[in-house]
Amino acid sequence: DVKVTQSSRYLVKRTGEKVFLECVQDMDHENMFWYRQDPGLGLRLIYFSYDVKMKEKGDIPEGYSVSREKKERFSLILESASTNQTSMYLCASIEGETQYFGPGTRLLVL
Amino acid sequence: AQSVTQLDSHVSVSEGTPVLLRCNYSSSYSPSLFWYVQHPNKGLQLLLKYTSAATLVKGINGFEAEFKKSETSFHLTKPSAHMSDAAEYFCVVSSAGGTSYGKLTFGQGTILTVHP
Repeated sequence: DVKVTQSSRYLVKRTGEKVFLECVQDMDHENMFWYRQDPGLGLRLIYFSYDVKMKEKGDIPEGYSVSREKKERFSLILESASTNQTSMYLCASIEGETQYFGPGTRLLVL
Repeated sequence: AQSVTQLDSHVSVSEGTPVLLRCNYSSSYSPSLFWYVQHPNKGLQLLLKYTSAATLVKGINGFEAEFKKSETSFHLTKPSAHMSDAAEYFCVVSSAGGTSYGKLTFGQGTILTVHP
């Protein structure tokens, strides 16, 4: 079974802090994705990566950056957390046309 | 460009009655379409997918969906609801080609409630 893991299930941070969300997949997938999920808005794509050190902006990249130094690991970075970044963050990797999602990180920014 | 509209934010049914969750899409290319389910405090799970083969797609747990190009619809159905079907359901369209391969656009979600 494909496994996508995220470093934390719950996270509480303060406004202005730098936040790292880590995602690891164990199936050698090339494409990885970061989404945020908000009630009534579904999932919105923040960034994706189709190879090591390659990244592309999704639909809502403002306030975020990403890092892909190794194929299995894709990190989402909030340079200076703000309260409007309180959300559920989901990581995914892809096999064929099927995306496999991690369990999510619920981030609260105070 | 692509987009997805789920026509109902909430659907409520009685156990044993049919389920219909409606989805319309727009896409510049021949789309791939998916339905995902998310149970409370659980991750997203793929229910079924359409990738230009048969227009009637069968998924897990008795769900199926029909791709209707003329109506740009991909509605999800199940003949008889079970209590365990209570969850949030997402209709999703996938872009094709280039570095956007695998980029998904999600609908807003439909919360399905099943009453005893």
